Formats: sequence, C-alpha cells, structure tokens
Amino acid sequence: DVKVTQSSRYLVKRTGEKVFLECVQDMDHENMFWYRQDPGLGLRLIYFSYDVKMKEKGDIPEGYSVSREKKERFSLILESASTNQTSMYLCASRGTGGFEQYFGPGTRLTVT
Amino acid sequence: TQLLEQSPQFLSIQEGENLTVYCNSSSVFSSLQWYRQEPGEGPVLLVTVVTGGEVKKLKRLTFQFGDARKDSSLHITAAQPGDTGLYLCALFGGYQKVTFGTGTKLQVIP
Repeated sequence: DVKVTQSSRYLVKRTGEKVFLECVQDMDHENMFWYRQDPGLGLRLIYFSYDVKMKEKGDIPEGYSVSREKKERFSLILESASTNQTSMYLCASRGTGGFEQYFGPGTRLTVT
Repeated sequence: TQLLEQSPQFLSIQEGENLTVYCNSSSVFSSLQWYRQEPGEGPVLLVTVVTGGEVKKLKRLTFQFGDARKDSSLHITAAQPGDTGLYLCALFGGYQKVTFGTGTKLQVIP
C-alpha cells in the first residue's frame, strides 16, 4: 500500500517563527511536490523536486524554501511565518513517467 | 499560465439525483485528470483521459474529454452520500508540473 505521510495534521505557529513541514514517501518516487490549498483557489504549487538536492519553483514560491537531502523526504520551510500563510499544505509524490500523484493527508497550518 | 476553471463551485443535491461538473481550460491540453478529495484527506486520482472525445466510466461516474481537448466533464448518476467531497480536475504542464482546477465541492444529502 503506497503511502505519503506528513509530520503533522494540525500546526499553530506565531508570526515570525520558522516552520518546518516534513513529508515522507515510501514509493521510491523521484518527483515530490508541495502545494497549498485555499478555498476557491484550488491547489497551487509552491515547489517541486525531481531528484535529491534538486528543486524547482512552482507558481507561488515567495516566502517558502524547500530541502530534499534524501529521496524519500521533502521538507517545506517557512522562513518567517506570516498570517497569509495560514492554509492547508499538501505534499505529493509521483514516479517518473507516471500519471498519478499520491498525496499525503495534509497539514493545516494556522499562523497567529 | 494555463488556467482551469471548474463549475459549479458548490453543489448540494439529494441522494439519488444526477449531476454534472465541468472543467474548462484556456488552451488545449494533452491529458486531463480528475481527483476526489474527501474531508481531512489528500486528493485521490479517479481517472486520466488522454484522447479527444474519450469517455471513461468508473461505476456511477462518467468522465468525458471534449473533442477540442479544452474541456472535460464528470457526470455522476444516482449520487450517494459517499460521493461527497471536492472534485478537482488537473492537467500536466511543462516539466513535471500539474495544474489543478479551482474545484467543485459536492454535498450529497441522505
């Protein structure tokens, strides 16, 4: 059974804090993605990675950075959290040549 | 940037009714996917369509890819409460990127 796990389901942080969101997949997929999901806006791609230590900006990378030191793990970092980063964050992975993205359950982040 | 618009944005229907949701693109696309996301979970792939005019069926769900490859529809027959969720269309862009639509939130009332 394929699995993408995210470190927290719910997270509350204060403005200005550094926030780490962790994602782990057990499918040996090359590609991993971070999205944020907001009502009426669908899923918007923040960053993706197609290999270890490789990363590409998505559509809304401002205020975020990522790290991929191991194939199975992709981390999203909010350097200085702001209230407009309150959102649902979804991690996904996909094998090269594959059609399907496998999603984790999401982390609902609230920045106060 | 390729845009995907879904309609309607919200839909609340009684169990047993039929419904159709739509996904429209600003430009031609090569393939399109439909995902369903249940509350508290990540999206799960339902189907991928790759050929203009293609129709795929998944039990009570029928997916159609427009002939001009700029639109797609999802029709649900005799909706059940288990169909409740957010329906997302998505398409492959350049270099591993997938663009998601704005979503249709469906509520099926028992």
